[in-house]
Amino acid sequence: DTAVSQTPKYLVTQMGNDKSIKCEQNLGHDTMYWYKQDSKKFLKIMFSYNNKELIINETVPNRFSPKSPDKAHLNLHINSLELGDSAVYFCASSQDKGYGYTFGSGTRLTVV
Amino acid sequence: AQSVTQLGSHVSVSEGALVLLRCNYSSSVPPYLFWYVQYPNQGLQLLLKYTTGATLVKGINGFEAEFKKSETSFHLTKPSAHMSDAAEYFCAVTALSGGYNKLIFGAGTRLAVHP
Repeated sequence: DTAVSQTPKYLVTQMGNDKSIKCEQNLGHDTMYWYKQDSKKFLKIMFSYNNKELIINETVPNRFSPKSPDKAHLNLHINSLELGDSAVYFCASSQDKGYGYTFGSGTRLTVV
Repeated sequence: AQSVTQLGSHVSVSEGALVLLRCNYSSSVPPYLFWYVQYPNQGLQLLLKYTTGATLVKGINGFEAEFKKSETSFHLTKPSAHMSDAAEYFCAVTALSGGYNKLIFGAGTRLAVHP
C-alpha cells in the first residue's frame, strides 16, 4: 500500500480553469503538507494542516485553497489557473510536529 | 531564519569514485537536518537524517553524512559511486513555524555518474 498517494499524477489544463489535486496518507500521521517544486527543482512549502487545522500558510495566492476533510486527506484546489502555476506539487505527511516527512510521488501540473 | 545552501548545482563523478555533496545550513536553534534523493519523475525519498546524538549518520544505499556544528555543515558522502546513484539530492533543515516544524530545502544538487 502506498503511504502517501496523490491523484492525478499528471494534469494538463488550460489557463483560467479550476482544478483539484487529492492527497491521502495511510500512515496515521497528524500533519500534512503541500510543497511546490518549480522548473528549477526548487521546493517550497505552501500549506500545512494538523488534524484538519491550518497551521502553516506561506505566501501563496488566494487562488490556492487547501481543504482537509479529515487528518488522512489534504486536497488542493486551484482557481483560475495561470501559466506560472505549472510545477510539480508534492503532498507530504509527518508525525511529531514535523520531524521526518513522507512524500507522495507528486502531481505534475502543466497549464497551457 | 533557517536556510540551506548546497554548493554546486551539478556534480559529476566516475563510477566507483567518491561522492561528496556539500550542504551548509543556517539555524538559530539546534537544527534537525535531512538529505533527500529524487530520481527522475519520482517523489522524494529520505536518505538519512540527523536529530540528536551521534554526528555521523548512516543512511540507505551506502550514504552517510556528518553534522559539524562548528562548520554549520552536513555534507553527504558515499565511498564508491554507482550508476544508479544518478539523481537530484536535496539537503533540508527544519524551521519552527507557529510551534510546528516545516522543512526548508536547499536548491538541490544533480549528481551525474559516468562509466
